[in-house]
Amino acid sequence: AQTVTQSQPEMSVQEAETVTLSCTYDTSESDYYLFWYKQPPSRQMILVIRQEAYKQQNATENRFSVNFQKAAKSFSLKISDSQLGDAAMYFCAYRKETSGSRLTFGEGTQLTVNP
Amino acid sequence: DTGVSQDPRHKITKRGQNVTFRCDPISEHNRLYWYRQTLGQGPEFLTYFQNEAQLEKSRLLSNRFSAERPKGSFSTLEIQRTEQGDSAMYLCASSLQISDYTFGSGTRLTVV
Repeated sequence: AQTVTQSQPEMSVQEAETVTLSCTYDTSESDYYLFWYKQPPSRQMILVIRQEAYKQQNATENRFSVNFQKAAKSFSLKISDSQLGDAAMYFCAYRKETSGSRLTFGEGTQLTVNP
Repeated sequence: DTGVSQDPRHKITKRGQNVTFRCDPISEHNRLYWYRQTLGQGPEFLTYFQNEAQLEKSRLLSNRFSAERPKGSFSTLEIQRTEQGDSAMYLCASSLQISDYTFGSGTRLTVV
């Protein structure tokens, strides 16, 4: 079974600084997707960034980028120029490549952004 | 269509009562998922529909839980004889083919 582990229950960062959230996963599959989701207090889960396992290039979305290390099964999220609106719970998630397959989530990291 | 809608947003019920939640997915999305999220944890998969067919159920979905998606549109999740351990956030998500999920805002259930 696939598992996703986030070892940092809480992280904090100063506004405008950079923070990295860690995630490791375990799978025997070779094709899969990895995601970072953001869940603010309003509760709706919002997709931050997606990485396809077959792509060697790390995904980037504006201030958000990932460091995908397939052999190490590591998938960290870097947030640059942190903003107050980035404060939220962040979840790392895994999904097999198969169409319609479920997401497996980590335990989450609560990010606080200090002004 | 503004996204995935869930109703109600909050539900407080007495132990032993039945509750039903509704999810309206994005209209063109043929896949619909239910997840449960307890406080401080990541969401856990409950069940998945492709159109009206329920294709997968987690073992978390005990026989007190039932989900339907008549006509492949909205879905309902019913919990019978609720227990305090059922208190959680119930999230619905939808997707089109292999595209990314869109989540709803969830229904928070409190069993007293």
